[in-house]
Amino acid sequence: GAVVSQHPSRVICKSGTSVKIECRSLDFQATTMFWYRQFPKQSLMLMATSNEGSKATYEQGVEKDKFLINHASLTLSTLTVTSAHPEDSSFYICSARAQQDYGYTFGSGTRLTVV
Amino acid sequence: GQQLNQSPQSMFIQEGEDVSMNCTSSSIFNTWLWYKQDPGEGPVLLIALYKAGELTSNGRLTAQFGITRKDSFLNISASIPSDVGIYFCAGQLSTGNQFYFGTGTSLTVIP
Repeated sequence: GAVVSQHPSRVICKSGTSVKIECRSLDFQATTMFWYRQFPKQSLMLMATSNEGSKATYEQGVEKDKFLINHASLTLSTLTVTSAHPEDSSFYICSARAQQDYGYTFGSGTRLTVV
Repeated sequence: GQQLNQSPQSMFIQEGEDVSMNCTSSSIFNTWLWYKQDPGEGPVLLIALYKAGELTSNGRLTAQFGITRKDSFLNISASIPSDVGIYFCAGQLSTGNQFYFGTGTSLTVIP
């Protein structure tokens, strides 16, 4: 089946620094990928839709200058959390859809801790 | 984003019992998905539904796409300990290709 690889799985960074999270579709091409954020014991909240070769579409309330998304190829989307603060600490998950699959496949997630 | 209400919020059941959970929305969806998430992991797709009234099974799991297109149901028969986890519904509007997630149902199976 379709596999989405997300890296790193865990990252700890200092407040004020930036962190980049990668999401790769390993065996299919993904023109669209999605980035979600999940706080403890809560649901997944859609942050943005990443479109290959064009600007990402952000959900209402998500700061596009803080959460930079780049989808430079059909197999890679990156999310950069800029000037991270402790309140940005969360579980970030990406997803993509392979044409031959039903539904959307998720990466294993990135646990970000800002100290 | 869209609001999908999932119930119950949590369930504690004995091994072997059947489980039912549902997801409702004020919006009409053209696709419903059900996922299971283990702690610290990304969600894993269980069942996908594409037509109103559709009933689909995956082993002991059965899900239905409500005829109003505003709800969906997931049933798990003869629960086992490895069914423990959080179950999420996700719906896709006809106007876009992104999915919105329900609030989740935490399932605990007591051996």
